[in-house]
Amino acid sequence: EVQLEESGGGLAQPGGSLRLSCEVSGFTFSSYGMVWVRQAPGKGLEWVSYISGSSTTKFYTDSVKGRFTISRDNGKNSLYLQMNSLRDEDTAIYYCARVELSTIFDYWGQGTLVTVSS
Amino acid sequence: DIQMTQSPSSLSASVGDRVTITCRASQRVDKYVNWYQQKPGKAPKLLISAASSVHTGVPSRFTGSGSGTDFTLTISSLQPEDSATYYCQQSYNTPPYTFGQGTKLEIK
Repeated sequence: EVQLEESGGGLAQPGGSLRLSCEVSGFTFSSYGMVWVRQAPGKGLEWVSYISGSSTTKFYTDSVKGRFTISRDNGKNSLYLQMNSLRDEDTAIYYCARVELSTIFDYWGQGTLVTVSS
Repeated sequence: DIQMTQSPSSLSASVGDRVTITCRASQRVDKYVNWYQQKPGKAPKLLISAASSVHTGVPSRFTGSGSGTDFTLTISSLQPEDSATYYCQQSYNTPPYTFGQGTKLEIK
């Protein structure tokens, strides 16, 4: 059974940092790309970042470029999102998802809430 | 960036109704549109990929169609458990992989 579990969310001050983790099981982690998708309170879904299975390819949405860094440890079956210089508008539930055939988000974690507030 | 526009933004229908949600891309995206279902307080779930391929375990009442710029998600016979918000998403070419704004479906 494919499972993804996020952790690391919480309260951060504007300008602060958080590191999100996503631990997976039930599939060969290194064979799949992964993404982070976020959802602000009461709003729709927003794709944040993508990383390929070998970490050679990474993409970011414009609003987080230079502030967020996606990474993975295939030996630990884990995906990460290092978030620096946090802004109020980064407040959201952050989901990790597995990527099938490069662009299909086929399995999702339950999400972790990040709140940026002073 | 490619914009995805869903209609309607919300709708209310009765059990047994046929429901159609549409999604229009701001430029041609071939067949690269996926549909997701999200229930309150839960993570999204993949329903349809590549416009018409039904994901494993998804009930057969859900179908997708379209290509180019216009896409539809159809529920052939609405069930109470289909109350949710539905999102389309384009996955054409390179990121950003944009989502539509969502369609909230309520059961009368």
